[in-house]
Amino acid sequence: EAGVAQSPRYKIIEKRQSVAFWCNPISGHATLYWYQQILGQGPKLLIQFQNNGVVDDSQLPKDRFSAERLKGVDSTLKIQPAKLEDSAVYLCASSSLAGDTDTQYFGPGTRLTVL
Amino acid sequence: QKEVEQNSGPLSVPEGAIASLNCTYSDRGSQSFFWYRQYSGKSPELIMSIYSNGDKEDGRFTAQLNKASQYVSLLIRDSQPSDSATYLCAGGRNNFNKFYFGSGTKLNVKP
Repeated sequence: EAGVAQSPRYKIIEKRQSVAFWCNPISGHATLYWYQQILGQGPKLLIQFQNNGVVDDSQLPKDRFSAERLKGVDSTLKIQPAKLEDSAVYLCASSSLAGDTDTQYFGPGTRLTVL
Repeated sequence: QKEVEQNSGPLSVPEGAIASLNCTYSDRGSQSFFWYRQYSGKSPELIMSIYSNGDKEDGRFTAQLNKASQYVSLLIRDSQPSDSATYLCAGGRNNFNKFYFGSGTKLNVKP
């Protein structure tokens, strides 16, 4: 079974530039998550999709961050414009929500550096 | 108050010893709890999930949950140098609603 795919793996941009990250979840997983992990901290949930609908985006800075999952499969997270404090690893995860076997599977992450 | 709190460590134990990692949570509605291991530069990988009060064992790992005290712990028996990593506690309501990670505890297992 293929895992969660993310691209790019690394990205360096200057502040005020825009950047986009892509995620393809495990086949058949209805739920997709985007997390931000700042160095030394635990992952923070930015947005959770169930199929192509948003379940929770309460911690998404909506003035600069946006995300979509148009066909209920892959997803894109965008930052526009980026700030220095956006430097972090952006993790995508997916889960099937199959009762007691709920497990989030994480992708390798995208490391963003904002200069 | 953070939703999920962990001691950042580092926790140092000798090889072969028991490592004890602890976590507290603030949301009494939380029902699902997870321990993840994260090696430096890698993404989190699931070790254990626990949903009911009591102990759950899987190999060298035992997760413990006490909902009355809002406390979750992870015991690692016969610790190995390869267990050296950051351990993340996470918890939330059903379907990962109101799901939060702690900041992680760094474990060092000394040969």
